[in-house]
Amino acid sequence: AQSVTQLDSQVPVFEEAPVELRCNYSSSVSVYLFWYVQYPNQGLQLLLKYLSGSTLVKGINGFEAEFNKSQTSFHLRKPSVHISDTAEYFCAVTYNTNAGKSTFGDGTTLTVKP
Amino acid sequence: DGGITQSPKYLFRKEGQNVTLSCEQNLNHDAMYWYRQDPGQGLRLIYYSQIVNDFQKGDIAEGYSVSREKKESFPLTVTSAQKNPTAFYLCASSPTRNTGELFFGEGSRLTVL
Repeated sequence: AQSVTQLDSQVPVFEEAPVELRCNYSSSVSVYLFWYVQYPNQGLQLLLKYLSGSTLVKGINGFEAEFNKSQTSFHLRKPSVHISDTAEYFCAVTYNTNAGKSTFGDGTTLTVKP
Repeated sequence: DGGITQSPKYLFRKEGQNVTLSCEQNLNHDAMYWYRQDPGQGLRLIYYSQIVNDFQKGDIAEGYSVSREKKESFPLTVTSAQKNPTAFYLCASSPTRNTGELFFGEGSRLTVL
């Protein structure tokens, strides 16, 4: 079965420190990859996406992610976090055999402390 | 502004009552989706529609129903057959049928008393 694993359920960091949120998926077939952010009691907002081309993808709010096909990973990084980055982050994968339906990870709660 | 509007944002119902959650989009997207979100879990797909007058079951369709009579609208009914309906419900749309890139509404929180 196709699956997405976010390796950390909670990540606490101090303000201005770097952060990496890890995401692995189950298959090496052709995929589209996404990271979304969710603030409390709100919907999800797209942070960045990999559809094709360069494996290093830059998104909003200073986030970036790298697609690694051999390791089936799509880790999210930010060199210096702010208090306002505190939120839940979801990795999602669309397998090209799945008619546009995304599979989501369980989410990682990022807490930025002053 | 273009976007997805879900209503109501908060809804309380008694057990055994059907409830309908509204989802409207003005993005001119063909595909629309309903997801359920429970604490500590990712999003689970309830139903999706890739074109007007057509929809398919997702992973957890039991106890739910939908319609897609207009491109802009994709209402979700939570029926009394749904055993555990208390949850946060998210509607989304997609500009393509293939990549799965999603635009989300603000969500509707349903509490069954």
